[in-house]
Amino acid sequence: TQLLEQSPQFLSIQEGENLTVYCNSSSVFSSLQWYRQEPGEGPVLLVTVVTGGEVKKLKRLTFQFGDARKDSSLHITAAQPGDTGLYLCAGYNQASGGSYIPTFGRGTSLIVHP
Amino acid sequence: KAGVTQTPRYLIKTRGQQVTLSCSPISGHRSVSWYQQTPGQGLQFLFEYFSETQRNKGNFPGRFSGRQFSNSRSEMNVSTLELGDSALYLCASSPGQGVEKLFFGSGTQLSVL
Repeated sequence: TQLLEQSPQFLSIQEGENLTVYCNSSSVFSSLQWYRQEPGEGPVLLVTVVTGGEVKKLKRLTFQFGDARKDSSLHITAAQPGDTGLYLCAGYNQASGGSYIPTFGRGTSLIVHP
Repeated sequence: KAGVTQTPRYLIKTRGQQVTLSCSPISGHRSVSWYQQTPGQGLQFLFEYFSETQRNKGNFPGRFSGRQFSNSRSEMNVSTLELGDSALYLCASSPGQGVEKLFFGSGTQLSVL
């Protein structure tokens, strides 16, 4: 079983602070995605990274895929209350059926106080 | 474009009963996958259907089953419910090729008493 460990599990910060969330595994993934889930809703895709060392930016969010494709990080600059939610990473590898199945981390619950 | 629709939104059942959950994917999407989300275990993959065929299955007991219809709508069934089956059940749809953006529904919150 491929496991994805996310840290920290919980994060409570003030508006304007910076933060980094980590997603680590002992396994190599062909690609990795980050999702954000708000209460009462399903996860929404933020980004997909596929190349080792890749860095992608989405406004104040910066995503990095580790060189060995075993880990990833999400950095938020100047957090805002609207960033509040559960952040999930999902690693992908091709399954026996031919499709790509995600293995999700347990998530980082972020609360940004105004 | 309408999103992924899951029904019902909430369900309360008792141990030993069975339950059927429904998922209508985004029009044109041929892949539907199901996930169980709990605070302790996080989001876990149940199974995936593509063009009415189960393409992959997660590590869940046989009490969990599903099917997909010709219009890509999918149902998931859990028989002989146990207290530990209480969870948010999410379905996601995608076109079904490679690593794609999964579009999730809002889920069905199942409580087993």
